[in-house]
Amino acid sequence: EVRLEESGGGLVQPGGSLRLSCAVSGFTVNFNYMSWVRQVPGKGLEWISILYSGGATFYADSVNGRFTISRDTSNNTLYLQMNSLRAEDTAVYYCAREDFYLSGSYYLWFDPRGQGTLVSVSS
Amino acid sequence: EIVLTQSPVTLSLSPGERATLSCRASQSVGTYLAWYQHKPGRAPRLLIYDAANRATGIPTRFSGSGSGTDFTLTISSLEPEDFAVYYCLQRGNWPRITFGQGSRLEIK
Repeated sequence: EVRLEESGGGLVQPGGSLRLSCAVSGFTVNFNYMSWVRQVPGKGLEWISILYSGGATFYADSVNGRFTISRDTSNNTLYLQMNSLRAEDTAVYYCAREDFYLSGSYYLWFDPRGQGTLVSVSS
Repeated sequence: EIVLTQSPVTLSLSPGERATLSCRASQSVGTYLAWYQHKPGRAPRLLIYDAANRATGIPTRFSGSGSGTDFTLTISSLEPEDFAVYYCLQRGNWPRITFGQGSRLEIK
């Protein structure tokens, strides 16, 4: 059964750090492209980072230099290390798998049972 | 960066009516555009990929069209479970991924 289960959210002060986890089952995390997406309360979806199967990473400008995406193949888990957190990082964070389509493109697949993990940055 | 602008911001309709949502890109994305449905407390759900292809398990009342910079999501006859926020997403500017700001479909 394919599952993505996010965890690690919580309340943190501005300038603090947090590490989010996405436990993957049903497929191998290091053979797939994986992304993190967030939704600020009351606002829209924002893609923030991608980790390619080959190991390359890319970030949205809003988090570049502060967030780091990584994976652990031993426990089949995707991570998002978040440093220098700001109030505007308050959001629900989702992980997603990038599925390949015959057109040659990739689109995000989210676990239908996933609810994301809430990060609140406040003093 | 490619900016996606969705319209309308909010659409109020009744079950059984037809919904038409638009997404305009600031530059061409070819047909590398998808539509997602998002409900509160749930993960986003892929509806349409490559502008016009329904994802697995998506009802036929959902259809997509367009290419280049102008795209449309149509729901032919609204069901109660269709009231949600809809986002377009572009993959034409690899590796950057951009979402539109969303269109809220609410019950009239």
